[in-house]
Amino acid sequence: EVQLVESGGGIVQPGGSLRLSCAASGFTFSRDWMHWVRQVPGKGLVWVSRINSDGTTADYAGSVQGRFTISRDNAKNTLHLQMSSLRAEDTAVYFCTRDLVAWGQGTLVTVSS
Amino acid sequence: DIQMTQSPSSLSASVGDRVTITCRASQDIKDYLGWYQQKPGKAPKRLIYAASNLQSGVPPRFSGSGSGSEFTLTISSLQPEDFATYYCLQHNTYPVTFGQGTKLEIK
Repeated sequence: EVQLVESGGGIVQPGGSLRLSCAASGFTFSRDWMHWVRQVPGKGLVWVSRINSDGTTADYAGSVQGRFTISRDNAKNTLHLQMSSLRAEDTAVYFCTRDLVAWGQGTLVTVSS
Repeated sequence: DIQMTQSPSSLSASVGDRVTITCRASQDIKDYLGWYQQKPGKAPKRLIYAASNLQSGVPPRFSGSGSGSEFTLTISSLQPEDFATYYCLQHNTYPVTFGQGTKLEIK
């Protein structure tokens, strides 16, 4: 069974940094593209970033380009999202997803002073 | 970015009803479209991929159709567990983009 478990969310001040992680199991992690998608509570889904199977190619939404960095550790079956220069509008639940098919339950990031 | 316009934004229906949700893309996305169901506090679940293909394990009352820029999700006979929010997603061009969602409520 595919499992994706996000961690690392919490409350951070504007301008601060946070690193999210996603532990994957139940599939061959090193073969799949992985994505982050976020959702402001009560609002719609917004794609954030993706990374290819070997970690050599990454794409970002314009709203996070230059502030967020996606990475992966295939030896540890783990996906990361390093978030910096955080803004109030980055407040959301962050989901990791295996190629937009299987999804984790999400981790809440709140940017507030 | 490709805009995905979903309609209606909300819908009231009864158990047993047939419902249709529409998604329109701002440009041709071929059949690179998926439909997702999300219940409160839960992760999205993919129902349909490549516009018309049923995800494994999804009941056959769900169906998708369309190509190019017009797509539909149909639920042939609503069940109590189907009341949720539904999203379309295009992945023909990055950034991938979602529709704004359709909240399906019990009448």
